[in-house]
Amino acid sequence: AQSVAQPEDQVNVAEGNPLTVKCTYSVSGNPYLFWYVQYPNRGLQFLLKYITGDNLVKGSYGFEAEFNKSQTSFHLKKPSALVSDSALYFCAVLNTGGFKTIFGAGTRLFVKA
Amino acid sequence: EAGVVQSPRYKIIEKKQPVAFWCNPISGHNTLYWYLQNLGQGPELLIRYENEEAVDDSQLPKDRFSAERLKGVDSTLKIQPAELGDSAVYLCASSPRDSPLEQYFGPGTRLTVT
Repeated sequence: AQSVAQPEDQVNVAEGNPLTVKCTYSVSGNPYLFWYVQYPNRGLQFLLKYITGDNLVKGSYGFEAEFNKSQTSFHLKKPSALVSDSALYFCAVLNTGGFKTIFGAGTRLFVKA
Repeated sequence: EAGVVQSPRYKIIEKKQPVAFWCNPISGHNTLYWYLQNLGQGPELLIRYENEEAVDDSQLPKDRFSAERLKGVDSTLKIQPAELGDSAVYLCASSPRDSPLEQYFGPGTRLTVT
């Protein structure tokens, strides 16, 4: 069965410092992997996706994610955090056999000025 | 380009009452999703439409939940009767035919059942 784990409920980082939000997944077959961000009272916004190819994927707002097949991970990263990055981040996986996206429980990111 | 529109944004009802949520996807998006998001959790798929056809409704509790997308555009999700445990945010999302893996979410409807 497909599953996504986001081991940290919350990540705290100082503005200007690099940030990492962790995600591991379990899926049969080749995975499609996604990151979404959710601001208060708003819907989820697509950040980036991994389908195939280069393991480092670049997305919106300066975010990037690294796909690691051996560790079944897809961590979200940003070299320099902004206060405005503070939000709820969701990792998601879609297996190529079906068409159902499974979301993680979310990680709340706090960036302190 | 307008985003996914959902109404109402908030709804408070008493248990055993019916409730309906409406979603208008982004123009031209043929795939429409309804998700349930409980507090502190990620969205969980309830139903997925390809045009007017429900292609995955395996997670929809059919005893009380129903959905329709009659003309393959906007959609309605209904709960009858509502239970206390149905309190959650109901999200609608849509995807375009040329980028089916990218979902565009609406702001959601926050339902409170008292």
